[in-house]
Amino acid sequence: AQSVAQPEDQVNVAEGNPLTVKCTYSVSGNPYLFWYVQYPNRGLQFLLKYITGDNLVKGSYGFEAEFNKSQTSFHLKKPSALVSDSALYFCAVRGYSSASKIIFGSGTRLSIRP
Amino acid sequence: NAGVTQTPKFRVLKTGQSMTLLCAQDMNHEYMYWYRQDPGMGLRLIHYSVGEGTTAKGEVPDGYNVSRLKKQNFLLGLESAAPSQTSVYFCASSVQLNTEAFFGQGTRLTVV
Repeated sequence: AQSVAQPEDQVNVAEGNPLTVKCTYSVSGNPYLFWYVQYPNRGLQFLLKYITGDNLVKGSYGFEAEFNKSQTSFHLKKPSALVSDSALYFCAVRGYSSASKIIFGSGTRLSIRP
Repeated sequence: NAGVTQTPKFRVLKTGQSMTLLCAQDMNHEYMYWYRQDPGMGLRLIHYSVGEGTTAKGEVPDGYNVSRLKKQNFLLGLESAAPSQTSVYFCASSVQLNTEAFFGQGTRLTVV
């Protein structure tokens, strides 16, 4: 069965410092992996995805994520956090099978202090 | 660009009442989804559709029905609302199952 885990409910970072939001997954075969961001009272917005190829994926707003197959992880990173990055972040995974569904993690609230 | 539009944005229902949530997308996407978002549980897939006239069950389909009579619309129905269905509901659409999804702004439903 597919699953995705975001082990931290909240991550607190000072502005200008690097940030990491963790995601681990379980899926049969190769995964499709996604990160989304949700601002208050809004729907989710796509940040980046891993389908195949380079393990380091670059996305919107300066975010990037590193796919690690051996650790089954897809952590979201940014070299220098901004206060405007404060939001709820979701990791999602889907297997290659046509029967596979997209599963979302429980979300991590990122708080950037000035 | 409207993208994905959900109506209504807010609704309060009494237990046992029925209602339909409407999702419309103007991107000509084949795939459409209904999710519910509950605190600490992320998004859970209720039902989805891989094209006009098709529907399939997701993780938590019980108590909900869906229809996709037109490619651009995906309706979510609650036949007899229960307090456990109090949630924020999101509709999304995508070109394919392995491409990014575009989300609506959500419908906050309270069942009392």
